[in-house]
Amino acid sequence: DAGITQSPRHKVTETGTPVTLRCHQTENHRYMYWYRQDPGHGLRLIHYSYGVKDTDKGEVSDGYSVSRSKTEDFLLTLESATSSQTSVYFCAISAGQSQETQYFGPGTRLLVL
Amino acid sequence: ELKVEQNPLFLSMQEGKNYTIYCNYSTTSDRLYWYRQDPGKSLESLFVLLSNGAVKQEGRLMASLDTKARLSTLHITAAVHDLSATYFCAVGSSNTGKLIFGQGTTLQVKP
Repeated sequence: DAGITQSPRHKVTETGTPVTLRCHQTENHRYMYWYRQDPGHGLRLIHYSYGVKDTDKGEVSDGYSVSRSKTEDFLLTLESATSSQTSVYFCAISAGQSQETQYFGPGTRLLVL
Repeated sequence: ELKVEQNPLFLSMQEGKNYTIYCNYSTTSDRLYWYRQDPGKSLESLFVLLSNGAVKQEGRLMASLDTKARLSTLHITAAVHDLSATYFCAVGSSNTGKLIFGQGTTLQVKP
């Protein structure tokens, strides 16, 4: 599992509330990613990070922000959750000499009512 | 815009049969990934293909990459029930490691 944990693993929240998901890794990987998985769409990249305080947008970044203040933690924040953000969120890291292998965390199931 | 398309999206097959899942992508890339996902679980890395003509095999699964045709295949030999899962291909960026995923192929192997 490449030492990746996500918290919480399940969350139910109401529309309009802020939500923060945490990804934690123990192996000092430089690159970290947040994806969301929805039926019929596979996984889609939300944001990624290439170092402490270095982040960039992915395919579906609207409504999401991220922060990375230390190597091991990558936080995903939904500033004001909407029902369309109900999804399963996966964190991932890249490993290998040229970042050629990507490992995924266990996922967080988020339900926005 | 890079697009990744898999077909079929759903495959029901009998044990012992062979079949191939296809993954087409729209722009040049030299990294192609195959993942397996069981219901309610995370993604498990199966293969990473990094060059044209690359072929990798693990048990009953074999993956290949043709970068000129922008096509990867995942071939299943003599399927068994334990292979039932959803299989994703993804195309990667060598600069950032970002992945663009196909929609996934749900494989159901019937005893």
